[in-house]
Amino acid sequence: AQSVTQPDIHITVSEGASLELRCNYSYGATPYLFWYVQSPGQGLQLLLKYFSGDTLVQGIKGFEAEFKRSQSSFNLRKPSVHWSDAAEYFCAVGESNYQLIWGAGTKLIIKP
Amino acid sequence: SQTIHQWPATLVQPVGSPLSLECTVEGTSNPNLYWYRQAAGRGLQLLFYSVGIGQISSEVPQNLSASRPQDRQFILSSKKLLLSDSGFYLCAWSADSLNSPLHFGNGTRLTVT
Repeated sequence: AQSVTQPDIHITVSEGASLELRCNYSYGATPYLFWYVQSPGQGLQLLLKYFSGDTLVQGIKGFEAEFKRSQSSFNLRKPSVHWSDAAEYFCAVGESNYQLIWGAGTKLIIKP
Repeated sequence: SQTIHQWPATLVQPVGSPLSLECTVEGTSNPNLYWYRQAAGRGLQLLFYSVGIGQISSEVPQNLSASRPQDRQFILSSKKLLLSDSGFYLCAWSADSLNSPLHFGNGTRLTVT
């Protein structure tokens, strides 16, 4: 069955520390891969996406993600987090926008 | 630039009452439109999507329906709300169904009492 797993429901990091949010997927073929961010009470915003080519993808707000086919993973990273990065992050995979499979999200908490 | 408007932001409705949530997009034509529901601690669930006026695809059998009376207007409705309809509803648009990203509205928090 197709699925997306974000193993961490919550992650707490100190401001200025590095961040890695995990995303693993199960899918028949290599899907398109996305990371979206949601601030409290708001809609979602696309951070970055992977379709093909270079497996290290750069996104907005200083985020990057690496696609590892052998591990079926698409982890999101940021070298130094800011308090404004506190939000919920969603990984999604699929072959079209109406076939996206969404992870349950990881809530990022920033310690001052 | 393109913008998406979704209203109301919050809504409290009694069980058995009707529902109408509206979403409009500006600054683009012939967008793909989507209604999602988001439950706490869970990912997004696609409810409906539309690739054109009057064309609605339903992903999940439920108490809700959707309509697209105009190119950039997408409406989520129910004739009689259930308690289980409570949740956070998000409208989104994309330029196409394949490569372009989803752009979300700010959502409607629906509480059915």
